[in-house]
Amino acid sequence: GENVEQHPSTLSVQEGDSAVIKCTYSDSASNYFPWYKQELGKGPQLIIDIRSNVGEKKDQRIAVTLNKTAKHFSLHITETQPEDSAVYFCAAFIPGYSSASKIIFGSGTRLSIRP
Amino acid sequence: NAGVTQTPKFQVLKTGQSMTLQCAQDMNHNSMYWYRQDPGMGLRLIYYSASEGTTDKGEVPNGYNVSRLNKREFSLRLESAAPSQTSVYFCASSEGSGGVFRTDTQYFGPGTRLTVL
Repeated sequence: GENVEQHPSTLSVQEGDSAVIKCTYSDSASNYFPWYKQELGKGPQLIIDIRSNVGEKKDQRIAVTLNKTAKHFSLHITETQPEDSAVYFCAAFIPGYSSASKIIFGSGTRLSIRP
Repeated sequence: NAGVTQTPKFQVLKTGQSMTLQCAQDMNHNSMYWYRQDPGMGLRLIYYSASEGTTDKGEVPNGYNVSRLNKREFSLRLESAAPSQTSVYFCASSEGSGGVFRTDTQYFGPGTRLTVL
């Protein structure tokens, strides 16, 4: 069945360093890939997304890359700050008519920024 | 503008009890969703409503029912709670109609942490 694998499950980086989270999807029809940040006690919040006709997208310190051939996409956070500490989820959208379409989430990465 | 609100924030039930989780959004969104989040499993869609008056099953609908009361409100009901339904439940909404067929940004509520003993 369709699935999205996300690695690593936990990540600890020094403040100021970069963090990379990787996801692999199984369904080649997937065409939209959002990333969510979830802070403690809150719901997920969209931070960046990419569509299958684009290879890379950047928004200030965060960027997402997509390799359609290999079916994987990655989140890059540069110059990490304490407020980047959170759980990050990737997801892949599989198009289809009405209820046949679905969005599959990865299992999450807990990112900790060490001062 | 409160966004998406959920009540209650926490709930403990005994096996077999019933309850309704409430969700409301004030963004005039057409689509609304219910997810559950379990450790190590990400988010899984339970039900969604692509527009007022319509509801559809997601990936894990068994044991749940939903009601789209009006455009603002979308409730999730557990008729006979089971320990396997212990989870954190999130409601979300998005602007477009057509449910997950559209790749609109989804806005999530703060969640309800449910424990079934």
